[in-house]
Amino acid sequence: GEQVEQRPPHLSVREGDSAIIICTYTDSATAYFSWYKQEAGAGLQLLMSVLSNVDRKEEQGLTVLLNKKDKRLSLNLTAAHPGDSAVYFCAVSGMPNYNVLYFGSGTKLTVEP
Amino acid sequence: EAAVTQSPRSKVAVTGGKVTLSCHQTNNHDYMYWYRQDTGHGLRLIHYSYVADSTEKGDIPDGYKASRPSQENFSLILELASLSQTAVYFCASSDAVGENTGQLYFGEGSKLTVL
Repeated sequence: GEQVEQRPPHLSVREGDSAIIICTYTDSATAYFSWYKQEAGAGLQLLMSVLSNVDRKEEQGLTVLLNKKDKRLSLNLTAAHPGDSAVYFCAVSGMPNYNVLYFGSGTKLTVEP
Repeated sequence: EAAVTQSPRSKVAVTGGKVTLSCHQTNNHDYMYWYRQDTGHGLRLIHYSYVADSTEKGDIPDGYKASRPSQENFSLILELASLSQTAVYFCASSDAVGENTGQLYFGEGSKLTVL
């Protein structure tokens, strides 16, 4: 089955800096890619998702890059602020069942003022 | 706003006891899921369902049963709880994911401690 590795497990940046989180996956049939944010004591919320025909997507200070050749997905938070402090997860899926998502192990991001 | 509610939010159970975690969604979604989260690990899929009265096994179904009596409700059942099942459990719902880029809507989690 699909294996998803996520790094780093912990990331600390200063306010205004960028933060980059990377996931690698193993299944070349993977076609749906997403990033979720989990704030303390809460469930996960979708940040952004892309299909495999998209290499780059930007929304509200977030950039998702997809490198299908290297099977690598990244999330870049530009100009991070303390409110971005949370745990971030990548999640991927593909054929035969897009609805079965495989999650990375999470990155705990701390943004210091 | 999508709504997925779980109960109980926290439970302490004894080894060998029966535990039922309940989930209710008001999103009119076809798909519902139960995930398990362990410290330092991502979410792992236990069971899911895409229609009432039917459930499917996820990646780690052993020791768990699921029940989907209606579109809105999805339960996770631990018939004989074990220490290794101490974790936080998340329920989620969604439309079809993929072409529609449907997202998962998560509940707030149920913290289960088995002693």
